[in-house]
Amino acid sequence: AQKVTQAQTEISVVEKEDVTLDCVYETRDTTYYLFWYKQPPSGELVFLIRRNSFDEQNEISGRYSWNFQKSTSSFNFTITASQVVDSAVYFCALSGITGGGNKLTFGTGTQLKVEL
Amino acid sequence: SQTIHQWPATLVQPVGSPLSLECTVEGTSNPNLYWYRQAAGRGLQLLFYSIGIDQISSEVPQNLSASRPQDRQFILSSKKLLLSDSGFYLCAWSDGPTGELFFGEGSRLTVL
Repeated sequence: AQKVTQAQTEISVVEKEDVTLDCVYETRDTTYYLFWYKQPPSGELVFLIRRNSFDEQNEISGRYSWNFQKSTSSFNFTITASQVVDSAVYFCALSGITGGGNKLTFGTGTQLKVEL
Repeated sequence: SQTIHQWPATLVQPVGSPLSLECTVEGTSNPNLYWYRQAAGRGLQLLFYSIGIDQISSEVPQNLSASRPQDRQFILSSKKLLLSDSGFYLCAWSDGPTGELFFGEGSRLTVL
């Protein structure tokens, strides 16, 4: 069975600080996909990134960066120079490709609070 | 571009009443469709997914059912709501089995 663990329930930082959200996953699939989503207070989940299991290159998108380490089954997310608008719940998710549907397994989320 | 909409946004229903949440996708054909529930505590649980019309897979035995009468329409229903059905329901679509999921705005259900 697949599992995603986000051990950090809540993180509070002051604006402009860097913050890393941890994600550890378990799967028996050799091909799988990892995702990060942002859930602002409005409730809608916003897609941030998808990474397949064969691509371990780190990715940077503006202030966001992701560190995928297959050896430790981790897919961590770093926000550089955090801003108040980054306050949200962030979910890490994992999917295999069996069964014909992309069934994502989500972690329990990390609530990020960025204060002035 | 593709869009997804679900309604109603907010619903307060008494125990034992029926439920119908609707989700539609525009701008794509034959999407995979999903219903997730997010209970208090933030975890998202997959309830149903569909890879085509009238092809529904249930992930969790429960008081709910899903239907897909048209290619881009996905409906979540219940004949008799329970208190435990309260939560935030999210519809999503993906383009094939490996694509990212795109979510609707969500429907907040409170069962009293």
